[in-house]
Amino acid sequence: DTEVTQTPKHLVMGMTNKKSLKCEQHMGHRAMYWYKQKAKKPPELMFVYSYEKLSINESVPSRFSPECPNSSLLNLHLHALQPEDSALYLCASSHALRDTEAFFGQGTRLTVV
Amino acid sequence: AQSVTQPDIHITVSEGASLELRCNYSYGATPYLFWYVQSPGQGLQLLLKYFSGDTLVQGIKGFEAEFKRSQSSFNLRKPSVHWSDAAEYFCAVGAKNYGQNFVFGPGTRLSVLP
Repeated sequence: DTEVTQTPKHLVMGMTNKKSLKCEQHMGHRAMYWYKQKAKKPPELMFVYSYEKLSINESVPSRFSPECPNSSLLNLHLHALQPEDSALYLCASSHALRDTEAFFGQGTRLTVV
Repeated sequence: AQSVTQPDIHITVSEGASLELRCNYSYGATPYLFWYVQSPGQGLQLLLKYFSGDTLVQGIKGFEAEFKRSQSSFNLRKPSVHWSDAAEYFCAVGAKNYGQNFVFGPGTRLSVLP
């Protein structure tokens, strides 16, 4: 299994809603990542988890809250988002932080209305 | 910190023609270099990577790339493009140090004419 699975594929939420994005991998990877990608732009790193501990937070607003409940699962909790947060959110994983070959999921297309 | 430039925002080639996408990086040590491809609305798929050793690396879908340290380049090539190769291509550089991660280039959009 070489897949990173993200759910849902599409999400529309209001600015007062609370929602969560989910990412799962069963490759035994110990590093997991959240990226945000706006249209026609490269992915931008948001968070990095290593061995289920938050390793990097790229100054992301607190309305985005990551969680890594176990080594296979990564969540991104969303609350009080703004329309400019609409983007493709990509999850990725790698064996470890030193191994920078990452496998990406298909992404969640988020629209904030 | 590392950085990546991809000089061409958009390239159009005819099906069957050869392709070269340019990538230049800036990094103080030996980098890890990657090419990813992204179809519209999809995630990123790794085409190939360079960590060390042979500077000409082969990837999936008939792509290859050559690492040239003297030019700080890692250009992607394909001898004959197929219509299904139309997509966005991202070059990325990674660092060996703990806690650092990818930096992606801005991307090159490839269009293929029938």
